Amino acid sequence: EVQLLESGGGLVQPGGSLRLSCAASGFTFGSYAMTWVRQGPGKGLEWVSTIYDTTHKTAYADSVKGRFTISRDNSKNTLYLQMNSLRAEDTAVYYCVKGGWRYDNWGRGTLVTVSS
Amino acid sequence: DIVMTQTPLSLSVNPGQPASISCKSSESLLHSDGKTYLYWYLQKPGQPPQLLLYEVSSRFSGVPDRFSGSGSGTDFTLKISRVEAEDVGVYYCLQSLQFPRTFGPGTKVDIK
Repeated sequence: EVQLLESGGGLVQPGGSLRLSCAASGFTFGSYAMTWVRQGPGKGLEWVSTIYDTTHKTAYADSVKGRFTISRDNSKNTLYLQMNSLRAEDTAVYYCVKGGWRYDNWGRGTLVTVSS
Repeated sequence: DIVMTQTPLSLSVNPGQPASISCKSSESLLHSDGKTYLYWYLQKPGQPPQLLLYEVSSRFSGVPDRFSGSGSGTDFTLKISRVEAEDVGVYYCLQSLQFPRTFGPGTKVDIK
């Protein structure tokens, strides 16, 4: 069974940083692209970033480009999202998602709140 | 960026009745590989989204056959043949043809 467990969310002041992690199990992590999708309070889904499996090629939404960095450690079956220069509008539940175009499985998400 | 629109934005359905949601993209989602990169998700209350249909009309594992998808190019439709109580939630379409990936605004479905 595929499991994706996010961690690292919390309350942070504007301009601060957080690092999200996603521990994956139940599939061959290194063979899949992985994605972060976020959902602001009461809002719809927003794609944030994708990292490919072997090339580690990355893509970012314009809203986070230059501030967020996606990475992965295939030896630890773990996906990361380093978030810097956080803004109030980054407040959201962040979902770890298996896949680069077909999002088969989603974690339960971790809440990031950016507020002073 | 490809813009995704959905209609209606909300839908109230009697149990056992059919329901239909439209999704339109600002550009064709047909790739040169012959696949159309259009997906449907359902987010039930308090849960993460779950994949229903991929590449327009293929049902994901475990998805009941009352869910079906159709369309091509820029116009797509999700149909539920007989709505059940467990189908309530917000339905999203997604295009994965190009970056940035973009979701539709969502269609909230509830039971009358």
